[in-house]
Amino acid sequence: DAGVIQSPRHEVTEMGQEVTLRCKLISGHNSLFWYRQTMMRGLELLIYFNNNVPIDDSGMPEDRFSAKMPNASFSTLKIQPSEPRDSAVYFCASRNEDTQYFGPGTRLTVL
Amino acid sequence: RKEVEQDPGPFNVPEGATVAFNCTYSNSASQSFFWYRQDCRKEPKLLMSVYSSGNEDGRFTAQLNRASQYISLLIRDSKLSDSATYLCVVNDWYSSASKIIFGSGTRLSIRP
Repeated sequence: DAGVIQSPRHEVTEMGQEVTLRCKLISGHNSLFWYRQTMMRGLELLIYFNNNVPIDDSGMPEDRFSAKMPNASFSTLKIQPSEPRDSAVYFCASRNEDTQYFGPGTRLTVL
Repeated sequence: RKEVEQDPGPFNVPEGATVAFNCTYSNSASQSFFWYRQDCRKEPKLLMSVYSSGNEDGRFTAQLNRASQYISLLIRDSKLSDSATYLCVVNDWYSSASKIIFGSGTRLSIRP
């Protein structure tokens, strides 16, 4: 099993550009979580899907952030336009019963 | 009050020492509990679940105290490789959804 796959692993972009982060779940898992981690704020849940349906998006910072899950195994998190304060590590996690499995993360730097 | 609070750390202890962390949670109806470990610049990984009766996995012991609403993690005979950040996780189930809350983490550094 390849585990949760995220791409890209690193992204450096300029303020105002669109950023798309991608995540592939572990086969058979039906829940997907997007997190953001910074030194100041720790690990924050942005949004979570269950069976492709968004269940809780209360953590999504603002309208510049959007997430989709077009099928059972894949999700995207889009930031448009990006701002320097969006710089963070973005983790995707899939869940089997109670256990979450995290991807390696995407380290985003917005200049 | 934060939903999940952890000892702030950092803990700096010598190799071979025993170290314990606590984590308190605010929702008395919380249903499942976990400890995750996160190494520097890596993703969090499940260390162990925490069961009501307490559970042990090698040098690691996790306990749950529902009356006082805290969980603990004890590491015996600590190794250099135990240096990491330890995250407490609380999972509340409601209807068909769940709310997963991570603590801010406790940094542990084991010195030779």
